[in-house]
Amino acid sequence: DAGVIQSPRHEVTEMGQEVTLRCKPISGHNSLFWYRQTMMRGLELLIYFNNNVPIDDSGMPEDRFSAKMPNASFSTLKIQPSEPRDSAVYFCASRGQGQETQYFGPGTRLLVL
Amino acid sequence: GESVGLHLPTLSVQEGDNSIINCAYSNSASDYFIWYKQESGKGPQFIIDIRSNMDKRQGQRVTVLLNKTVKHLSLQIAATQPGDSAVYFCAEKEGGGTALIFGKGTTLSVSS
Repeated sequence: DAGVIQSPRHEVTEMGQEVTLRCKPISGHNSLFWYRQTMMRGLELLIYFNNNVPIDDSGMPEDRFSAKMPNASFSTLKIQPSEPRDSAVYFCASRGQGQETQYFGPGTRLLVL
Repeated sequence: GESVGLHLPTLSVQEGDNSIINCAYSNSASDYFIWYKQESGKGPQFIIDIRSNMDKRQGQRVTVLLNKTVKHLSLQIAATQPGDSAVYFCAEKEGGGTALIFGKGTTLSVSS
C-alpha cells in the first residue's frame, strides 16, 4: 500500500508566483482533505472533497487559494499569487467510505520568499 | 495537552517508562476521537481511535482512555521507546460531521 502521495515534497518560490500542490489519495478512498500546518495555528482543515465534490471550503484562507479534484485519484491545491505568509506545511489526507480514520501524506513544505 | 503560542507541552520520559499524554476537548457533541503521532519532517501517523460509546480501547503498547464527563482524552504508551519520540496530536469529530479538529500537540521526548 503506497499510502497518500504528495508532490512536491519541498517548494521554494518567490512572492507573487503560482504554486500548485498535488495529492494522490489511497486507492479506493472517497474522501480527500487538505490541511495546512504552522507552528502558530497548528493543523487547520482547508477544504475537503467527498466523491470528488468539494463539500466544505470554509477553511480556505482567501480567494488566492483554490482546490480541485478532477478524478478519484488526483487533487490539486493552488495558491495564486503566493505570499510569504502562505509558508507552511500542506498535508493531504484521505479516508475510505464509511470510515472515520484519515490517513495523511508526507506533506509539502512550502516556503514563499 | 494544549499549547500556548509557539510552545508545545513537552513530556520527557526515560526509556522503558510508561507515558501518559493528555488532551482536553471542548465539544460535548464530539463522538469520535483519534490520536496521531508526527515525527519530524513527516505527516501525522494514525495511532489509535475511540468512539464516544467506549471509555477505553487498547492497541499494541497503546491505550486510549476517554472521560466524557470531564471531556478528557489520554494516550498511554507502555514501555516507551526512543522511537516513540514525536509530537502527539489528539483530534475530535462532532457527531454527524466530517472534519477533525486537532489539538496543538504534545512533544514526547524519550531518553535512553
